[in-house]
Amino acid sequence: GPKVLQIPSHQIIDMGQMVTLNCDPVSNHLYFYWYKQILGQQMEFLVNFYNGKVMEKSKLFKDQFSVERPDGSYFTLKIQPTALEDSAVYFCASSGTGGALEQYFGPGTRLTVL
Amino acid sequence: GDSVTQTEGQVTVSESKSLIINCTYSTTSIAYPNLFWYVRYPGEGLQLLLKVITAGQKGSSRGFEATYNKETTSFHLQKASVQESDSAVYYCALGVLNMGYKLTFGTGTSLLVDP
Repeated sequence: GPKVLQIPSHQIIDMGQMVTLNCDPVSNHLYFYWYKQILGQQMEFLVNFYNGKVMEKSKLFKDQFSVERPDGSYFTLKIQPTALEDSAVYFCASSGTGGALEQYFGPGTRLTVL
Repeated sequence: GDSVTQTEGQVTVSESKSLIINCTYSTTSIAYPNLFWYVRYPGEGLQLLLKVITAGQKGSSRGFEATYNKETTSFHLQKASVQESDSAVYYCALGVLNMGYKLTFGTGTSLLVDP
C-alpha cells in the first residue's frame, strides 16, 4: 500500500541545537501532519498543513517549531532550538484528496536531545 | 478538548478465543467525531485497521469489527477468533474537523495471542 517515509529513523543532538525531521509523504497527497509520542504516552497531534499553510496546531507546537514543504519536496519539522522535553518519537502522516480521513503514517523518527 | 481512553494496556488471549478491546471517547466538538482503530504490527508502521464515520454504524476489517455508539461514547474493538498474527498494538482514535483534520489517540492496547 501507500507508504510514508521518514528520515532519519533516529537522531541524537545536543540541547540548543537545531534539528530537521524529514517526511516523504504519499505522492499526490495534499494534507500533512506531525504527531509526537513521548515514551509511555499516547501519540499527540502537533500540526496539520495544507496548501502551504498551517491549518491547525496544538499547544505542543511551540514557537521553536516550524513546518514547511518547499516545492513538493519533503515535508519537514524543524525545531530550533531544541530542549530536553523535545525527546520523543515524531510521526509524520499524510492524507489524500478523497478526504482527510484516512491518514497514512510513517515509521517515526526517534529524537533524543541530550 | 478531546480524549480517548483505552483501559487495558496489555491483553493476552489464547489463539481461537474471542477478543474485546475497550475504547471510550469524549469530545467538545459540535459535530460528531469520526472513529478509528489503528494497528501497529511488530517492526511496522501504524496502519488503519477500520474506520466509522457515522454514529450507529459498524466498521469491519480482517475479522475485526467495532460499532460507533454515541449513547455510551464507546467504540470497542472485537474479534470472534484471534490468530497469532493478530499480535500487535491497537490504538483507538477520534477524528475531528476544525480548521483542519486531526486525530486524538488512546494510549494503545498491546495484544499478545498465545499459540
